[in-house]
Amino acid sequence: QVQLVQSGAEVRKPGASVKVSCKASGYSFTAYYIHWVRQAPGQGLEWMGWINPNNGGTNYAQNFQDWVTMTRDTSIDTAYMDLRRLRSDDTAVYYCTKSRTLGLPFDVWGQGTMVSVSS
Amino acid sequence: DIQLTQSPSFLSASIGDRVTITCRASQGISSYLAWYQQKPGKAPKLLMYAASTLQSGVPSRFSGSTSGTEFTLTISSLQPEDFATYYCHQIYAYPLTFGGGTKVEIK
Repeated sequence: QVQLVQSGAEVRKPGASVKVSCKASGYSFTAYYIHWVRQAPGQGLEWMGWINPNNGGTNYAQNFQDWVTMTRDTSIDTAYMDLRRLRSDDTAVYYCTKSRTLGLPFDVWGQGTMVSVSS
Repeated sequence: DIQLTQSPSFLSASIGDRVTITCRASQGISSYLAWYQQKPGKAPKLLMYAASTLQSGVPSRFSGSTSGTEFTLTISSLQPEDFATYYCHQIYAYPLTFGGGTKVEIK
């Protein structure tokens, strides 16, 4: 079945970086955009940006423009989200999710990766 | 940025109740609105898109409607598995945004 499986929980100190992976299965990886969405504890959902696995093109939300990088490895159907210069308020669950094209909703989600930032 | 204002933010209801959640967009978004259901500790699940199109596998007690920039999610008869938080989501313009959520709890 169609699945997005994310890497496990991470703990980082402020100022460090974290890289979360999202492995796709059950569908053509290059045919769907991969988006990243985060959710701080007890809070709502925040869209971070997308990557087009077909050509590596990206579109980041302005809030994350200078400190997030989204990449992919089509040989292993995996997308990555790299967040730099972490702060304590980056503590959140990070989800990958996919959409068929821009303007269509997120139909399948990964299970989420908890990233904790604490000194 | 397009703001989505959900109301209420919290509601308490009983099994069998008819429940309505509203999402108001700060500007026109045509029908580029989706609804998600999220249970504690789980990822969101797509319920509806294009304002009123039910995602495959979602029970027909869920329905959606729109009037201008106001969107409504209705659960016709609340079931035990429906107690969750619901989010609206606009996919009309960047940055993509979500409503603040509506938590539906058992009365």
